[in-house]
Amino acid sequence: DVKVTQSSRYLVKRTGEKVFLECVQDMDHENMFWYRQDPGLGLRLIYFSYDVKMKEKGDIPEGYSVSREKKERFSLILESASTNQTSMYLCASSGTGDTLNYNEQFFGPGTRLTVL
Amino acid sequence: AQKVTQAQTEISVVEKEDVTLDCVYETRDTTYYLFWYKQPPSGELVFLIRRNSFDEQNEISGRYSWNFQKSTSSFNFTITASQVVDSAVYFCALQSAGGFKTIFGAGTRLFVKA
Repeated sequence: DVKVTQSSRYLVKRTGEKVFLECVQDMDHENMFWYRQDPGLGLRLIYFSYDVKMKEKGDIPEGYSVSREKKERFSLILESASTNQTSMYLCASSGTGDTLNYNEQFFGPGTRLTVL
Repeated sequence: AQKVTQAQTEISVVEKEDVTLDCVYETRDTTYYLFWYKQPPSGELVFLIRRNSFDEQNEISGRYSWNFQKSTSSFNFTITASQVVDSAVYFCALQSAGGFKTIFGAGTRLFVKA
């Protein structure tokens, strides 16, 4: 069964802390994504990666960085957490054009991050 | 610029009622994909359907049906005989062909009461 897992469901951090959110997929997907979800705003893309060590900025990359050292793992880093980064963070993955339903995204359960 | 609008923020229905969730999109691309995802209370978005811009055939899957109309840039989703388990947030999304970025609407929260 297709699976995307995220390291924590709930996380509470203090302002200024460095925060790591981990995402792992077991589908051998090339593409991985990080979104944040806020009420009334839907999902907004933070960063995505289409290959190991490759990354592209999404619509709201400020205050975030990412790391993809292995194909199955995509990490989101908040260098210095701020209260306006309190949100739900969703990780997703998708395959390439030679796979069925290649652009369907598979989502993890989300991490609800609270920054105090 | 691409945009997806889901004008209905919340909808509340009684079980067995039919309900339609609206989705209007904007794009200058001639080839694109439209999606619907469901996010139940557990939080994990689940893919429901994908439509490409060349396929305007309506689709039915059990109690779910989708109406794609290019002329009005709409991709509406109807649930027939709604059930409590349909309670969730539903997202409409748009992706350009060959692109990676998917633009999501703000979502519509559906409450189905017993």
